[in-house]
Amino acid sequence: NAGVTQTPKFRILKIGQSMTLQCAQDMNHNYMYWYRQDPGMGLKLIYYSVGAGITDKGEVPNGYNVSRSTTEDFPLRLELAAPSQTSVYFCASSYPPSGHPNLQETQYFGPGTRLLVL
Amino acid sequence: GQQLNQSPQSMFIQEGEDVSMNCTSSSIFNTWLWYKQDPGEGPVLLIALYKAGELTSNGRLTAQFGITRKDSFLNISASIPSDVGIYFCAGQHSGGGADGLTFGKGTHLIIQP
Repeated sequence: NAGVTQTPKFRILKIGQSMTLQCAQDMNHNYMYWYRQDPGMGLKLIYYSVGAGITDKGEVPNGYNVSRSTTEDFPLRLELAAPSQTSVYFCASSYPPSGHPNLQETQYFGPGTRLLVL
Repeated sequence: GQQLNQSPQSMFIQEGEDVSMNCTSSSIFNTWLWYKQDPGEGPVLLIALYKAGELTSNGRLTAQFGITRKDSFLNISASIPSDVGIYFCAGQHSGGGADGLTFGKGTHLIIQP
């Protein structure tokens, strides 16, 4: 298994440009997540999805959009890039741990996409 | 949103020393997780705790879910150079669902030769 893969690894955008951060997982996980990590901070949840066709906002969704047309893919869209969106973006997926069918916290993370908006 | 207080913010230790870090919250969590992040990589799950009072080990790592459900600690015994990185605690305060995971700001572990 490749696990969780993210592309691109690094990108520089101009203010107002748009881009899509790609995320894919081959573990057949239902749940997928997008986080951003700013310097010296923990991860903040942008959007998450509990399955194909279902997405929900996290703590910091403004300026982003997501879609989940398949179980494997969960792209994150920035429509009008702003300097405040300079960050490292992590995608994750999860499954219920053994004996805890209602929990989804065993999250596996991708390597991250570093985005710089100038 | 929810806040986790993770301490210390950074640690400078000698190789071979034991390490201890902790997370506290003003609210109850049902699950505590500990992750490690290496430079340029995503976080990797180290230990997951699901029950108050639970003590779980993973090699040289030991973590405990506090009895009050508002705290957790992680210990690393006999540190080695590859232990360098940022350690994050994460907790979930609800009974289930994807939106309940809250991360601490991390503890930077630096090992001096």
